[in-house]
Amino acid sequence: GQQVMQIPQYQHVQEGEDFTTYCNSSTTLSNIQWYKQRPGGHPVFLIQLVKSGEVKKQKRLTFQFGEAKKNSSLHITATQTTDVGTYFCAGGRGTYKYIFGTGTRLKVLA
Amino acid sequence: EPEVTQTPSHQVTQMGQEVILRCVPISNHLYFYWYRQILGQKVEFLVSFYNNEISEKSEIFDDQFSVERPDGSNFTLKIRSTKLEDSAMYFCASTRAGATYNEQFFGPGTRLTVL
Repeated sequence: GQQVMQIPQYQHVQEGEDFTTYCNSSTTLSNIQWYKQRPGGHPVFLIQLVKSGEVKKQKRLTFQFGEAKKNSSLHITATQTTDVGTYFCAGGRGTYKYIFGTGTRLKVLA
Repeated sequence: EPEVTQTPSHQVTQMGQEVILRCVPISNHLYFYWYRQILGQKVEFLVSFYNNEISEKSEIFDDQFSVERPDGSNFTLKIRSTKLEDSAMYFCASTRAGATYNEQFFGPGTRLTVL
């Protein structure tokens, strides 16, 4: 079945350093969504990418969707302690099914 | 701001018992989902529901699971005979109608513990 992998699994950074998580799907995706889950919380939507090669920015966060629509990345510039959490990509297969990636747990050291 | 609600927040049950997890999606949403997350692991898709029928389901969603929208507001997940490995956090999510590929709004989850 379809698999969506993320690397790294864990990342510890000093506050102010940059952070990147990569998402790779075994199959072509119709779209990709990114979510953040704080410890003990539920996934919260960050962004959606639909077009091949699309790049979107949200303040310090930059999201990319690969040309082949099989991979994506999230880059955070100058991390802050509020960025702590697990970041999941979710690969879309149409409207009705999303396969979540394995997640990257980010810890930011002050 | 509208939100997805789930009850109960924590359910403890004995192996073999039936449980029903309840969700109230955002009122103008038409697509509904159930996911589960075993502690410390990834979020796993279970089922999606639209227009009063299942749209997609995963291999996890076997005949022990069922979903229902019994009225205009609730969306339920039933596990007929719980197993130890069903212990997990169960999240309901919904998306609005009218556009493709919308963001999913997740509820706070129900933690299911099977003893």
